[in-house]
Amino acid sequence: KAGVTQTPRYLIKTRGQQVTLSCSPISGHRSVSWYQQTPGQGLQFLFEYFSETQRNKGNFPGRFSGRQFSNSRSEMNVSTLELGDSALYLCASSSDSGGRPQHFGDGTRLSIL
Amino acid sequence: SQQGEEDPQALSIQEGENATMNCSYKTSINNLQWYRQNSGRGLVHLILIRSNEREKHSGRLRVTLDTSKKSSSLLITASRAADTASYFCATDGTDTGRRALTFGSGTRLQVQP
Repeated sequence: KAGVTQTPRYLIKTRGQQVTLSCSPISGHRSVSWYQQTPGQGLQFLFEYFSETQRNKGNFPGRFSGRQFSNSRSEMNVSTLELGDSALYLCASSSDSGGRPQHFGDGTRLSIL
Repeated sequence: SQQGEEDPQALSIQEGENATMNCSYKTSINNLQWYRQNSGRGLVHLILIRSNEREKHSGRLRVTLDTSKKSSSLLITASRAADTASYFCATDGTDTGRRALTFGSGTRLQVQP
């Protein structure tokens, strides 16, 4: 099976812009989660989608949003970018059963100038 | 915010030696997982231990869990240069939902050839 695919791998934006990141989960996985990784805050949960519905949300401002399509692919959007949004954004997929390992993509490295 | 701390923050050993990493967490959990992250890459799942288990083995990995102390340890035996990476524990709490993983701060392991 192909792994989790995230595009693009690298992205450079300026403050105030908006950005959309994409994630294609492992075939058959219906749960997609997003995480932000920074040197200061470490790995933090953003949100999780299952069957096109957001099931869980972390403590991030409303500028961070996401969606999931009927084929389980997911997108994450960040509006009005701030310098602090510079991070590695990781997507993970899993089967719909709780307590299962999550399979991560290699992430999108977002840099804000 | 992160669930807890891992120690040591960094560990440097010689090939063939054992490496032990510890993780502490704060809330009740359903299970605890360990992940490895190579520089610039996504996370790779290593092992999952459920809250009713005390020890688990997988190849050169041994994980223990002490729910009374809210702590876990990961032992890598006979380490190899390829084990050089950051290692994270992750918990899914009974209060946050089974797919919202909360990560520790990580241990950077350097294995000298």
